[in-house]
Amino acid sequence: DIVMTQSPDSLAVSLGERATINCKSSQIILSDSNNKNSLAWYQHKPGQPPKLLIYWSSTRESGVPDRFSGSGSGTDFTLTISSLQAEDVAVYSCQQHYSPPYTFGQGTRVEIK
Amino acid sequence: QVQLVQSGAEVKKPGASVKVSCKASGYTFTGHYIHWVRQAPGQRLEWLGWINPQTGGAIFAQKFQARITMTRDTSMTTVYMELSSLRSDDTAVYYCARDPWTRGRRNYFDSWGQGTLVTVSS
Repeated sequence: DIVMTQSPDSLAVSLGERATINCKSSQIILSDSNNKNSLAWYQHKPGQPPKLLIYWSSTRESGVPDRFSGSGSGTDFTLTISSLQAEDVAVYSCQQHYSPPYTFGQGTRVEIK
Repeated sequence: QVQLVQSGAEVKKPGASVKVSCKASGYTFTGHYIHWVRQAPGQRLEWLGWINPQTGGAIFAQKFQARITMTRDTSMTTVYMELSSLRSDDTAVYYCARDPWTRGRRNYFDSWGQGTLVTVSS
């Protein structure tokens, strides 16, 4: 199984500041079909289901604010929130959609400093 | 709009089975695979498998293959996930989630059910 490891486990950022979350896969997750990295990011708030933010490592889901961006290659990926808003307080998880079982990172909790 | 509505919370004894339903609306039911994902307390999200609502075919994570079943009822636009031989570590919130691709699978999830808490306790 592909192991997804996120860092840090938690993060406190001031409103309006940048938040950066890292995700490392235990192997390359580059799709043969389109040469894109098979990496998704989700936002998870208490009492709600996860919400898709990013797929193919950098494609923003429709309706997601452009302060959320994804990047990375190889086995190292990053989710950046360019200017943290109060409503962004949540747990963020990465997921490889390359090969089954489709595994998730352990989550990174983002809070307001 | 796309909606996935799951059945309510369940409490089961060890060794029992649980069947969770997921009713889809707002899109062509047979056009999108449905995946099941769970999250145990304090644990990461865990993928269980997928079902093709058009054919009924399903694939499961190896960890669950011996005790999981996924079925669908196209007339009711509902998919079901049944997990048997329940143990305490199956206590989790179980989610159904839609695959966004209409010509196969992308294996990420653009719409989720609200979650069903399954508690396994003697």
